[in-house]
Amino acid sequence: DAKTTQPNSMESNEEEPVHLPCNHSTISGTDYIHWYRQLPSQGPEYVIHGLTSNVNNRMASLAIAEDRKSSTLILHRATLRDAAVYYCILRDDYGGSQGNLIFGKGTKLSVKP
Amino acid sequence: DAGVTQSPTHLIKTRGQQVTLRCSPKSGHDTVSWYQQALGQGPQFIFQYYEEEERQRGNFPDRFSGHQFPNYSSELNVNALLLGDSALYLCASSLMGQGRANTEAFFGQGTRLTVV
Repeated sequence: DAKTTQPNSMESNEEEPVHLPCNHSTISGTDYIHWYRQLPSQGPEYVIHGLTSNVNNRMASLAIAEDRKSSTLILHRATLRDAAVYYCILRDDYGGSQGNLIFGKGTKLSVKP
Repeated sequence: DAGVTQSPTHLIKTRGQQVTLRCSPKSGHDTVSWYQQALGQGPQFIFQYYEEEERQRGNFPDRFSGHQFPNYSSELNVNALLLGDSALYLCASSLMGQGRANTEAFFGQGTRLTVV
C-alpha cells in the first residue's frame, strides 16, 4: 500500500489559515486521498477526500498537486477547536488494504489564541 | 441517527482475563472495522467484518477475535489479556462494495481498556 509522509507537528494562530502538507510519492491511480482528524479523547472524524481535483466542504479544502504526489489540507480560519491530530490516508479498493483506512502517525496541530 | 456507538466507554481488566467490546454501526452501514490505538500512536487496523464473516485482518494475534450479528453490530473479544493490550479500541462503520474508497468511514468514541 502506498504510504504518506506528514510533519509530526505544526502550530497555528487562531483565526489564521493553516496548510497541512502530505507527501504520497508512490500513490496509484486508484488511490483516493482522505483526511481524518482526531480531537483529544475522541475517535477519528472524517474531514475531506478527493481523487484528482481540488475539493471544498464546510470544514476544509483539499488541494491536490497535478502529479498527485502531494496534497495540502487547508483550514481557512483555524479555531481552538481545530487543535487535533490530522491524518492523511490513501484509500484504495483494489490495493492490499481493500479500502480499509491505514493510519500513520499524523500531524499534531496546535492552535494558539 | 446516533452514529457509531461503542460500549463500554471505559474498562479495567486484570492480566489473563478476557474482555468483550461492543459496537453498533451507523444506520445503513453493513461493515464494521476494529482498530487499536496505543497512547501517542495512530490507530492500527485489527480486522473487518462484513456479512457476519471476518474479511480482512491486520497483524494481530489469534487472541483477538470478533463477531458480527445479523443486525450488523459487532463484538471484539480479546483473550488472555496482556498489559500491552491497554489501549483505546475504536470501531468504524462503512458500506462494503466497489467504490468504498470514495466514501467516508464513521468512527465511534472508542472503549478505553486498561489492563492491570
